[in-house]
Amino acid sequence: DAKTTQPNSMESNEEEPVHLPCNHSTISGTDYIHWYRQLPSQGPEYVIHGLTSNVNNRMASLAIAEDRKSSTLILHRATLRDAAVYYCILRVTGTASKLTFGTGTRLQVTL
Amino acid sequence: DAGVIQSPRHEVTEMGQEVTLRCKPISGHDYLFWYRQTMMRGLELLIYFNNNVPIDDSGMPEDRFSAKMPNASFSTLKIQPSEPRDSAVYFCASSFDRVGAGELFFGEGSRLTVL
Repeated sequence: DAKTTQPNSMESNEEEPVHLPCNHSTISGTDYIHWYRQLPSQGPEYVIHGLTSNVNNRMASLAIAEDRKSSTLILHRATLRDAAVYYCILRVTGTASKLTFGTGTRLQVTL
Repeated sequence: DAGVIQSPRHEVTEMGQEVTLRCKPISGHDYLFWYRQTMMRGLELLIYFNNNVPIDDSGMPEDRFSAKMPNASFSTLKIQPSEPRDSAVYFCASSFDRVGAGELFFGEGSRLTVL
């Protein structure tokens, strides 16, 4: 499976935007880029996904580089409830939905 | 929708005992996944099913682990005999796949402690 690289941790102030980077230089043309997050003591939850174009939903935005070798998850206004581990995952098409988690980025949000 | 339901939420057992974890996926979902999470190894995919059939069990650590999905609404993960190194949080997830784009819905997990 193609791998992703994320910073181990990031900090943000509440109400500020947060840009969480992810590198995936070995991505193949049909791999989807997925983001999940895991709040303390909970199971992971889906955040957003994309293939080539930038995506927006109620939780976040996903900016995908033109060469698709990197992407950025954008939280427009961080809140304390956004403190979590954020996982960037490549979902390989043709392998029946297999989702392999890396170590993720631990986001701390402070007042 | 109640989401993915796992039981028990917490299990404490002694080494050598059999442990059975249960999962009810979201109705209509055709994929079911079992993950294990530890501090040392993070989230590991153990096995997943499609339409009740095991597709990939390469993540199952050893023969002590087994998983079944007798019907579309129920799956079990069994550890026999259990060992202290099996202590972890076990997550079940389900999804309705759309060519790699379907999102996984996770349960709240079953925290297993083997003494």
